[in-house]
Amino acid sequence: NAGVTQTPKFQVLKTGQSMTLQCAQDMNHEYMSWYRQDPGMGLRLIHYSVGAGITDQGEVPNGYNVSRSTTEDFPLRLLSAAPSQTSVYFCASSADRGDEKLFFGSGTQLSVL
Amino acid sequence: SQQGEEDPQALSIQEGENATMNCSYKTSINNLQWYRQNSGRGLVHLILIRSNEREKHSGRLRVTLDTSKKSSSLLITASRAADTASYFCATDPSNTGKLIFGQGTTLQVKP
Repeated sequence: NAGVTQTPKFQVLKTGQSMTLQCAQDMNHEYMSWYRQDPGMGLRLIHYSVGAGITDQGEVPNGYNVSRSTTEDFPLRLLSAAPSQTSVYFCASSADRGDEKLFFGSGTQLSVL
Repeated sequence: SQQGEEDPQALSIQEGENATMNCSYKTSINNLQWYRQNSGRGLVHLILIRSNEREKHSGRLRVTLDTSKKSSSLLITASRAADTASYFCATDPSNTGKLIFGQGTTLQVKP
């Protein structure tokens, strides 16, 4: 099993550009989530999903969209990138919400110029 | 605002010494989790302790939970250079799946 796979690993965008960060898991996990990690801020939850077709907002959802059409995939979309979105993004999944350990991807380092 | 706050923010010890990190949280919880993050990598789950448990062990790790004080501690015994990493506590304060992380403790173990 590959676990949680994130692509790309690195990305540079110009302000106003759009892009999608991809996340896929092969563990048949119902719960998936996106975090951003900034220096001194720890990890902050952006959006999460408790199953296909169900998504909800986390702590810092503004500027990001998500959808969950399949159990395996949970893409994160930046519609109009801003320098404040420069960060490292992590996708994570678990078998169940709240009571199970999270499996993390290796991260996407995003720079917005 | 952060649900979990780790203390200290940074810790430097010699190989073989014990390392203790603390986590405080604000609201009632069902469980608390600890994760490790090596530099440039994703987080790895270490241990989960439920609200009805006071202590849990896993190898050289010992986690305690005091729900009356809303705090938890992670003890790494006989530390090794490979334990150098950042350590985070995480809770789901609303039991909705929104796992909230603290800011982390950066541990350096000198050989």
